[in-house]
This record gives sequence, C-alpha cells and structure tokens, in this order.
Amino acid sequence: QSVLTQPPSVSGAPGQRVTISCTGSSSNIGAGYDVHWYQQLPGIAPKLLICANSKRPSGVPDRFSGSKSGTSASLAITGLQAEDEADYYCQSYDSSLSGYVVFGGGTKLTVL
Amino acid sequence: QVQLVESGGGLVKPGGSLRLSCVASGFTFSDYYMSWIRQAPGKGLEWVSYITSSGSTIYYADSVKGRFTISRDNAKNSLYLQMNSLRDEDTAVYYCARVITRLPDVWFDPWGQGTLVTVSS
Repeated sequence: QSVLTQPPSVSGAPGQRVTISCTGSSSNIGAGYDVHWYQQLPGIAPKLLICANSKRPSGVPDRFSGSKSGTSASLAITGLQAEDEADYYCQSYDSSLSGYVVFGGGTKLTVL
Repeated sequence: QVQLVESGGGLVKPGGSLRLSCVASGFTFSDYYMSWIRQAPGKGLEWVSYITSSGSTIYYADSVKGRFTISRDNAKNSLYLQMNSLRDEDTAVYYCARVITRLPDVWFDPWGQGTLVTVSS
C-alpha cells in the first residue's frame, strides 16, 4: 500500500484530455512538500516529467502539466497521443517516521 | 550527456549478498546526491536509499535498513549498493538516479537503465 494514492488506470482517446490524481496526507503533500511526476514507457526506466509541482524539464512537451492543492496533486495530459501510453508515478517527501521519499502506486494510461 | 550505467545484478540465493555499481558521466558527480530506487516485477517504484554529495549523510527505507549499505567513490564517479541478507522480496530492477535537491524536497533526474536482482533458491 503506497503512501501516495493514485488510480490504477485511466484511459482516453487520441486528442482528449486526461488527469491523474495523487492523494497524500498531512505528512507529505499536505505539509507543503513538492510533488514530482515520472513517466515510465513500457520496458524502460522512468523519466522525470514534472518537478516541483508544475515545472516541466527541458524537452517535456507543454501538453503535460502539473498542479497541487491541499493534500493532492494532479497531472494533466492534453492532446493525448498514442506514445503517451505509459505508467505515471507521483513522488514527494514524507516527514513521518517511515518517511523521506514516497511514491504513488502508479497509474497505467491507456490511449484508446 | 548525463548518463548513469548500473551493473552487478544477477541471481542470488536468499540470505546471500550482492554489490551493485553505478558509473556516472556527463556531470560533476561529486556535486550531487545520488540514490537507489527499485521496482519489483510488475509493481511500482520504491525508494531504497540516498547519499549526500560528500557521502557524509545517508538515508534508507525501513525495508532495507540494516541490510543494505549505500556508498560512493567520487574519484571514480561511482555509486554502490551493498546488499546483504537478501530476501525474496528484494527481487527487483534496481535503478541508480541522480538526486536534484531543494531540501527537504528531492527528486530524481536522470535514471539509469536498471539492473535486475533476482533472489531465489
């Protein structure tokens, strides 16, 4: 059971907009710590997609955006493309005893 | 370009040991914290450990504390993970990652390609 909760799966048709939620608690997202997002294409290592809640590293298309509010964060993907089909993970810092770095359980995005 | 290459994975019996290595290139290794993150087959990501740039401070996940030891050699641009008393549940792909810090917030960019550790009798 992950400290950060993500939906196991989401789907959308090409061109549509999808969002992936990441719900935490008062010891991580709710405490003001940043949320970061990673994309893992099938069979390869994760890649940083969004850092510090909403910043896109160089090379990441502006179709990807992040936001944070309260104890939750969201990743939005607009203009969905076939190559966006991947697993997406959120990550934050946690100040509890079992803490430091925590990941969400991951969300499988299927492009219909 | 920034590159991280892991090695050392393989098949090991429960209770056994293994040492993973990660060689970095394309950036000033000694300026950065470094981390190990693992992914069990078909499962999500699990942070394992990270080490500060000088090696003076280390953090571990509870699941590996007392069994795994992270270390680095800045002269060799290398990160290591010594894994002892291995259990079936340690079976995973182990990724080396550079840590970007805005303390206490940390995130990982980039990641290596990973090395598979299989613990089985």
